[in-house]
Amino acid sequence: NAGVMQNPRHLVRRRGQEARLRCSPMKGHSHVYWYRQLPEEGLKFMVYLQKENIIDESGMPKERFSAEFPKEGPSILRIQQVVRGDSAAYFCASSPPLEEVNTGELFFGEGSRLTVL
Amino acid sequence: GQNIDQPTEMTATEGAIVQINCTYQTSGFNGLFWYQQHAGEAPTFLSYNVLDGLEEKGRFSSFLSRSKGYSYLLLKELQMKDSASYLCAVPDSWGKLQFGAGTQVVVTP
Repeated sequence: NAGVMQNPRHLVRRRGQEARLRCSPMKGHSHVYWYRQLPEEGLKFMVYLQKENIIDESGMPKERFSAEFPKEGPSILRIQQVVRGDSAAYFCASSPPLEEVNTGELFFGEGSRLTVL
Repeated sequence: GQNIDQPTEMTATEGAIVQINCTYQTSGFNGLFWYQQHAGEAPTFLSYNVLDGLEEKGRFSSFLSRSKGYSYLLLKELQMKDSASYLCAVPDSWGKLQFGAGTQVVVTP
């Protein structure tokens, strides 16, 4: 049973380019969360999605950042016109449907490390 | 919203015990999580407390006092591999986890 899969693990972009980060949740999980972690800092919530729905995007910057979780395929976090300050580790996490009995534990992927030159 | 505080760093020697405190303020309580994160790796689940008291799991234990908005993670018989960041997290009413900044534990020989 594969865990949360993220790719690419490492991505280098020049300022002004676009970055696309992908996340496939664990099998049977319908909820996806994206977190950002700057060096030496904690995890900051960005967005919470279910299939074809954005549930909570209160942590997303208002510009250049977008996220989707289509009916088919992985969730994608897209950063347009990247700047040096976007350099960070971006973690995806998934959880089972709320109707299933669970503690609310999140299962994390290995992260995608974006470096903007 | 949530406000979560934990110390930035703690240092202890191999074989010792370390207690990491976490205080939180939340508008509604849905449990408290502890995660471990080694440098450059994904956070991994350690414990979940929803009722007051101590939950023991091997060398690691977690305590919760809901009335005080307080939890601690106790690491016993420290090993070098326990050097990591320990994250305290509470879910909001939607279920998304809000994390503290993490406590970096450094285990020395």
